[in-house]
Amino acid sequence: GENVEQHPSTLSVQEGDSAVIKCTYSDSASNYFPWYKQELGKGPQLIIDIRSNVGEKKDQRIAVTLNKTAKHFSLHITETQPEDSAVYFCAAKDSLGGTSYGKLTFGQGTILTVHP
Amino acid sequence: DTEVTQTPKHLVMGMTNKKSLKCEQHMGHRAMYWYKQKAKKPPELMFVYSYEKLSINESVPSRFSPECPNSSLLNLHLHALQPEDSALYLCASSQTSGGSGEQFFGPGTRLTVL
Repeated sequence: GENVEQHPSTLSVQEGDSAVIKCTYSDSASNYFPWYKQELGKGPQLIIDIRSNVGEKKDQRIAVTLNKTAKHFSLHITETQPEDSAVYFCAAKDSLGGTSYGKLTFGQGTILTVHP
Repeated sequence: DTEVTQTPKHLVMGMTNKKSLKCEQHMGHRAMYWYKQKAKKPPELMFVYSYEKLSINESVPSRFSPECPNSSLLNLHLHALQPEDSALYLCASSQTSGGSGEQFFGPGTRLTVL
């Protein structure tokens, strides 16, 4: 089955700095890669995603890059703000079928703290 | 509207109780999911419903019983739970279970088993 590794497990930055979280995946059949932000006491919120036919996607201060050859993808947050503080999860999915049909495989999460 | 709602927000139950968690979405999604999340861990998939039929059961103990009464509702019936079942239970939905469609999560039910 798919295995997703996420690093770092904790990340502390100053307000205004950039933050980068990296994930690697094992199953070359995976072709959909979402990122979720989870604040304390809330459910995961989808913040950006990328499909395997795209190398990079940007939405305001957030960007995601994908390297299919190396099987890794990264989340980039620029001009961080205290409200960006949360746990971030990457995930991978094989959307074409197989025994894992419908299943998202998550990384272990990164606790991001943005200091004012 | 990309909202998935869950009730109750918090639930405390004894090991002999029977309770149910409820989830609702009105996005026209035909796939719905139950996840279990322990503190500081990622969500773990429990069940997937596709077109109101159970398509994936991740070897979940029978004390958890899912039900999908219609395309908008998903229930999780709980019976004879153990203290280690205490966790955040998340519901999610997506357009379909296959494909690379976005999966949206509800706020969760915080379950404590005494």
